[in-house]
Amino acid sequence: DAEITQSPRHKITETGRQVTLACHQTWNHNNMFWYRQDLGHGLRLIHYSYGVQDTNKGEVSDGYSVSRSNTEDLPLTLESAASSQTSVYFCASSDTAGGPGDTQYFGPGTRLTVL
Amino acid sequence: SQQGEEDPQALSIQEGENATMNCSYKTSINNLQWYRQNSGRGLVHLILIRSNEREKHSGRLRVTLDTSKKSSSLLITASRAADTASYFCAPWDTDKLIFGTGTRLQVFP
Repeated sequence: DAEITQSPRHKITETGRQVTLACHQTWNHNNMFWYRQDLGHGLRLIHYSYGVQDTNKGEVSDGYSVSRSNTEDLPLTLESAASSQTSVYFCASSDTAGGPGDTQYFGPGTRLTVL
Repeated sequence: SQQGEEDPQALSIQEGENATMNCSYKTSINNLQWYRQNSGRGLVHLILIRSNEREKHSGRLRVTLDTSKKSSSLLITASRAADTASYFCAPWDTDKLIFGTGTRLQVFP
């Protein structure tokens, strides 16, 4: 069955380190998204991509970067991890057929702790 | 800036009762979506309602949309303990979904 996976599921790192969170989907969806979820803020969009080589900044993109070299993957990189980036990170994807505003399918999340 | 704002923030009911959650948003939208999140899990899509629709049903779910009031509601009928979760509305704003902080629903057996 097609799915969307994230790795690692849990990560503890130190301030200042570079961290990359992986997201892989097997639906062949063109659209992929990264969100962070924090208490009191709900889900906030970090970056999104509407196709290979396309990336866009979301609401809270400072300190994060993404690259899209193929359809299946959208890795999220924290250039220099900060304690404020301790959060749960969700990746999502959606098909183009229904337009970019179509249903999004979410991964299981990555819990990141920055000490 | 959050666009989808759910109300109430928390709701506790008994099994068999109906649960109603409301959502308000700020700008014109193309569609509005509702998602459910069980504790510690990813979000699951429930229903999508387009701006030209007023009501939509899916099983025990009923969603309404009032674009003049910039509001939507999600009704879960005959609730079950398994409906315990957080529910999020997400208006589609130009090129992205904007999630609110959600309604935490607790259904007691």
